[in-house]
Amino acid sequence: EAQVTQNPRYLITVTGKKLTVTCSQNMNHEYMSWYRQDPGLGLRQIYYSMNVEVTDKGDVPEGYKVSRKEKRNFPLILESPSPNQTSLYFCASSTLGVNTEAFFGQGTRLTVV
Amino acid sequence: KQEVTQIPAALSVPEGENLVLNCSFTDSAIYNLQWFRQDPGKGLTSLLLIQSSQREQTSGRLNASLDKSSGRSTLYIAASQPGDSATYLCAADMNRDDKIIFGKGTRLHILP
Repeated sequence: EAQVTQNPRYLITVTGKKLTVTCSQNMNHEYMSWYRQDPGLGLRQIYYSMNVEVTDKGDVPEGYKVSRKEKRNFPLILESPSPNQTSLYFCASSTLGVNTEAFFGQGTRLTVV
Repeated sequence: KQEVTQIPAALSVPEGENLVLNCSFTDSAIYNLQWFRQDPGKGLTSLLLIQSSQREQTSGRLNASLDKSSGRSTLYIAASQPGDSATYLCAADMNRDDKIIFGKGTRLHILP
């Protein structure tokens, strides 16, 4: 089954404690991206990657890091989480080109206290 | 900078009615426009994708149109059902910088 898998689904952590949210896709997609979704602000893109070892900043990259060492994986790293990073996070993947239907993971609800 | 706007923010209609959700964008340089459905606490499910060269796409009771020149897309839902209740988001895939810009969504409630 084609899917994007995020882990964990729920996470509560304390300010400053480094964490990683994993994202894996099994569709051999070149394009992967991370979003955060906040009430009243909608979905905003954090980082995206067009292929292995190629990453670019989205609209809200501050406080986040990503890596793309393998095509299937695109982890999101919060080196020093802060309460304003409490949000619902989504990973997505797609092929490149005009017919780029995006597939989303189920989301990770992060709370930073 | 691309801005994607969805109006209305929320909509309640009786079951069985046809309805239209609106999406507008300020920059017409898009690869495609995609409509998604999001159920509470869940991820996004792709409904329809319209390439920049297309005018509309249909899937079952759903029909999405795209007018690049006016910066508008609509999602038409025929014969609405309570199971259609969800938040609907549109997203513009930019060909300038490969970013995907989302609208804030329309929260739809179908009244039984």
